[in-house]
Amino acid sequence: GENVGLHLPTLSVQEGDNSIINCAYSNSASDYFIWYKQESGKGPQFIIDIRSNMDKRQGQRVTVLLNKTVKHLSLQIAATQPGDSAVYFCAENIYGNNRLAFGKGNQVVVIP
Amino acid sequence: DAGITQSPRHKVTETGTPVTLRCHQTENHRYMYWYRQDPGHGLRLIHYSYGVKDTDKGEVSDGYSVSRSKTEDFLLTLESATSSQTSVYFCAIMSGTDQETQYFGPGTRLLVL
Repeated sequence: GENVGLHLPTLSVQEGDNSIINCAYSNSASDYFIWYKQESGKGPQFIIDIRSNMDKRQGQRVTVLLNKTVKHLSLQIAATQPGDSAVYFCAENIYGNNRLAFGKGNQVVVIP
Repeated sequence: DAGITQSPRHKVTETGTPVTLRCHQTENHRYMYWYRQDPGHGLRLIHYSYGVKDTDKGEVSDGYSVSRSKTEDFLLTLESATSSQTSVYFCAIMSGTDQETQYFGPGTRLLVL
């Protein structure tokens, strides 16, 4: 598959542990944020999103936290599984309602 | 997969040849996007479309052109491929409650020799 994980920060986590992936976004005017997961050889897959009027949102096994004060976004994965091994990256809506800006991503490696 | 297909999925071509990549969607989305993804870079926008025959440039549009003659198809053309255009190309559509969420196709891996 594509070597999208090259040169990326890597988080190694034991299966069953919780994972936390961080993202610093660039524009204080951004009002919408998305986390994507990308497995090797596949397209990015939507995981969860959050708007700037919230500071926390939960999905199935995932939680996104937003700290607007320091322009920081995090993704927490509970009880990490081997299928969670992938590159995770954040995106922010800077340009209005039709364009996103993407972070470079973090590689997550789950150790069985 | 948001009803997005890309073709071809893999292509090897030679420098100087024209290449056209196709993105097809089945759900009548207005906005469509072409990105490239390279190691060390995030997804970078090449061109996007906000309707039939309505397109605009992204941040890395040099050497690329696009066309959208019908809602379901968005074509990306490399008029004369160069080795620097070796990359993985992703198409995306915009959807969601407020039309802000982008969903991606499976990608086209292009190698320019």
